[in-house]
Amino acid sequence: TQLLEQSPQFLSIQEGENLTVYCNSSSVFSSLQWYRQEPGEGPVLLVTVVTGGEVKKLKRLTFQFGDARKDSSLHITAAQPGDTGLYLCAGALDSNYQLIWGAGTKLIIKP
Amino acid sequence: GAGVSQSPSNKVTEKGKDVELRCDPISGHTALYWYRQSLGQGLEFLIYFQGNSAPDKSGLPSDRFSAERTGGSVSTLTIQRTQQEDSAVYLCASSFEISGAGYTQYFGPGTRLTVL
Repeated sequence: TQLLEQSPQFLSIQEGENLTVYCNSSSVFSSLQWYRQEPGEGPVLLVTVVTGGEVKKLKRLTFQFGDARKDSSLHITAAQPGDTGLYLCAGALDSNYQLIWGAGTKLIIKP
Repeated sequence: GAGVSQSPSNKVTEKGKDVELRCDPISGHTALYWYRQSLGQGLEFLIYFQGNSAPDKSGLPSDRFSAERTGGSVSTLTIQRTQQEDSAVYLCASSFEISGAGYTQYFGPGTRLTVL
């Protein structure tokens, strides 16, 4: 069974603080995606990382794919209330079209 | 352009009733997924359609669940004899071909199903 463990499950911090969300697995992924979901909506893709060690930046969000392509992190600098939401990671395997989903990190940024 | 749409947005039903959930994917997308999401949790894969190929039904939790995709476009997820544990948000996503190579899955807003 392929698992993608996401941590923390819940995080509530003050505006302006930094935070990191992690996704870890024993499986090697061909790519890994990060999604953000707001209440009442479906997940929306933020980024896809493909190469081991790859770092992508999206404004204050920095995404990193582990060298071995088994793990990934999302770092948010100077969090804003607009960053509030459920963050989901999803890994793709070469051998299967299904994405392996993490359980999500519920992030609340307090003004 | 139009995104993935789902209907109804909310459905409240009584235990034992059948329900049908509808998904209209983005035009031209050949792949269509159904997922189930419990409150604030990750996504549970249910079923996958790709073009004219036989669907992958490996994620359906019981034989009360079924889905079809007509004409390679609209899909309907049917739950027969609903149970309280079926209560969840049902999400539909579509994409070009398959997502293993990093194709983006575009999600609809979901249908929130409540079984009383």
